Amino acid sequence: KAGVTQTPRYLIKTRGQQVTLSCSPISGHRSVSWYQQTPGQGLQFLFEYFSETQRNKGNFPGRFSGRQFSNSRSEMNVSTLELGDSALYLCASSYGPTGGGTDTQYFGPGTRLTVL
Amino acid sequence: DQQVKQNSPSLSVQEGRISILNCDYTNSMFDYFLWYKKYPAEGPTFLISISSIKDKNEDGRFTVFLNKSAKHLSLHIVPSQPGDSAVYFCAASATFGNEKLTFGTGTRLTIIP
Repeated sequence: KAGVTQTPRYLIKTRGQQVTLSCSPISGHRSVSWYQQTPGQGLQFLFEYFSETQRNKGNFPGRFSGRQFSNSRSEMNVSTLELGDSALYLCASSYGPTGGGTDTQYFGPGTRLTVL
Repeated sequence: DQQVKQNSPSLSVQEGRISILNCDYTNSMFDYFLWYKKYPAEGPTFLISISSIKDKNEDGRFTVFLNKSAKHLSLHIVPSQPGDSAVYFCAASATFGNEKLTFGTGTRLTIIP
C-alpha cells in the first residue's frame, strides 16, 4: 500500500508570496492533518480535515488555510509568507478522525519551505 | 501551553543497553498515547501506542508504560541498536474534548556503538 505523499518536497519562496502544498493520504484514509515542525518546537498542529470538513484548527493565523477534496487529498495554503514560516510542513493521514483510538497517523516525508 | 512534555532534549545510550524515553502530560482528558520515531529528512514513523485502559503495551523491542496517576508515559527500547538513533516524539489525544493529536518537542536518542 502506498504511503502518504507530499508535493513538492522542497520549496523556496520570498516574503509576501503565497504557497500551496499538497498531500495525498494513504488509500482508504479519510482524515488528513497538517503540522508545522520547526527546531525546538516539535510538531505544531495546524488543522485536521475529515470527509472534506475541517474538524479542528490549531493556533495559527488566518494566513494558513487548507481544504480537502472528495478523494481525501488535501492542500494547505499559506498567504503573505513571512520569514518565520520557514519550516518543515508535515501531512499525516489516518483512517478515522482524531480521537477514540482510531487516530494512528501516518506521516508523509514533508515539504521543506524556505522563505527568503 | 505545552500539554505534552518531553523534558530531555537528548539521550545517549550504549548499544545493547536499555533506552528509556520519558513523556509527561497535563491534560487529564488524554486517553490515547503514541510514540513516533523520526529520521532526518523523513516524516515521523509510528512506533507503538497505548490506550488509557492499559498500563503497558509491548511490541518486540519496544514497550510503552503508562502511569495515569502521574500523567507519565515512557518508552523502553531493549536492546538498543544503532538504527534506533533518531528523534522520538510522544503524542496524545482525547476521545472527547480537544481531539487533536498533541505532540511533545521530541528527544534525540543516540545509540553509541
